[in-house]
Amino acid sequence: GIQVEQSPPDLILQEGANSTLRCNFSDSVNNLQWFHQNPWGQLINLFYIPSGTKQNGRLSATTVATERYSLLYISSSQTTDSGVYFCAVEPYTNAGKSTFGDGTTLTVKP
Amino acid sequence: DTEVTQTPKHLVMGMTNKKSLKCEQHMGHRAMYWYKQKAKKPPELMFVYSYEKLSINESVPSRFSPECPNSSLLNLHLHALQPEDSALYLCASSQAEGQTYGYTFGSGTRLTVV
Repeated sequence: GIQVEQSPPDLILQEGANSTLRCNFSDSVNNLQWFHQNPWGQLINLFYIPSGTKQNGRLSATTVATERYSLLYISSSQTTDSGVYFCAVEPYTNAGKSTFGDGTTLTVKP
Repeated sequence: DTEVTQTPKHLVMGMTNKKSLKCEQHMGHRAMYWYKQKAKKPPELMFVYSYEKLSINESVPSRFSPECPNSSLLNLHLHALQPEDSALYLCASSQAEGQTYGYTFGSGTRLTVV
């Protein structure tokens, strides 16, 4: 099946700092999503972005489908940004079945 | 609160019990999913129900069985579970399977098998 690799696995930031999270995938995809999971387990969809660039407030994401990677940018980080960030991809060859990467655990310190 | 509602939020069951998890959405979505998440691990897909068709991850044991009574409900029936089945069970929905729409997740059911 498709392989999804996220980096870095862990990231510690001071409040106000910027960061970039990366997601590499091994096959062509229909669908790529970024999620934030809070400490209570709730998964929030941040972006649906199989290609191109999107922005939502302090967050933005870019997917370069031809090179099989996506980046999530967090600017001016806040303590509420802490949690696990997952990339999930749906391959062309397995439509409707999204695979998650192992996630990046972000800790933002005040 | 999310638009995908999962009940119960917490469940403790014995290995001989039969229980059910419930997932409901009223967004008119046509695809629904069950994921299992162990601590410190990513969610793993168990089942997809889309356009009245069920797709199963072949690695999921038969002690888990999904049921879709209508397009807005997806239940997960549990029988003779093992302690290693203890996990967070997440339900999600999307407008359509295999098309370019994002998932909305419920808040999950934390299951403990004793």
